[in-house]
Amino acid sequence: AQTVTQSQPEMSVQEAETVTLSCTYDTSESDYYLFWYKQPPSRQMILVIRQEAYKQQNATENRFSVNFQKAAKSFSLKISDSQLGDAAMYFCAYNTGNQFYFGTGTSLTVIP
Amino acid sequence: EAQVTQNPRYLITVTGKKLTVTCSQNMNHEYMSWYRQDPGLGLRQIYYSMNVEVTDKGDVPEGYKVSRKEKRNFPLILESPSPNQTSLYFCASSFTGSYKSYEQYFGPGTRLTVT
Repeated sequence: AQTVTQSQPEMSVQEAETVTLSCTYDTSESDYYLFWYKQPPSRQMILVIRQEAYKQQNATENRFSVNFQKAAKSFSLKISDSQLGDAAMYFCAYNTGNQFYFGTGTSLTVIP
Repeated sequence: EAQVTQNPRYLITVTGKKLTVTCSQNMNHEYMSWYRQDPGLGLRQIYYSMNVEVTDKGDVPEGYKVSRKEKRNFPLILESPSPNQTSLYFCASSFTGSYKSYEQYFGPGTRLTVT
């Protein structure tokens, strides 16, 4: 069975500091996509970053970057220079072409 | 404006009363999907559709039906709702392609309460 595990239900970070959210997944596929989504209190799901499994280079989007370790099936999200607006629930997700699998989420608090 | 719309946004109903939650997208996406979000469980896929007239079960399809008669619409039907279907529901859509991008656009969510 495909699974996505986020082992940190809650995390906190000081404003302007860096935080890393962890995610591991289980799959027997070789071709797939990984995503991080942000869900602020408004409940809207917002795509933060995407990683193709066939690419060795880690994806980056401004202050957001990932550490993709394919052999270890690990996909962590690093947020640099944290801002108050980064406070949200973050979900890791995995897709192999048809079905999507989401983790249980990490609630991130940003401390002023 | 490119968007996924869902209606209603909030719904309180009683056990056994059939209901439909509509979902529509204006981006010509092939792929559409329904999820439910419950505390501590994250998002779980209910049904998905790769294109018109093509639907398939996700991880939690029991108690739900879907149809995809038009590319833009993907309604979720609860024939006989039960209290355990009380949840936050999201519709999402995306393109598919040779690289399987599946970068999903989500609707605003529908908060359903079944009493």
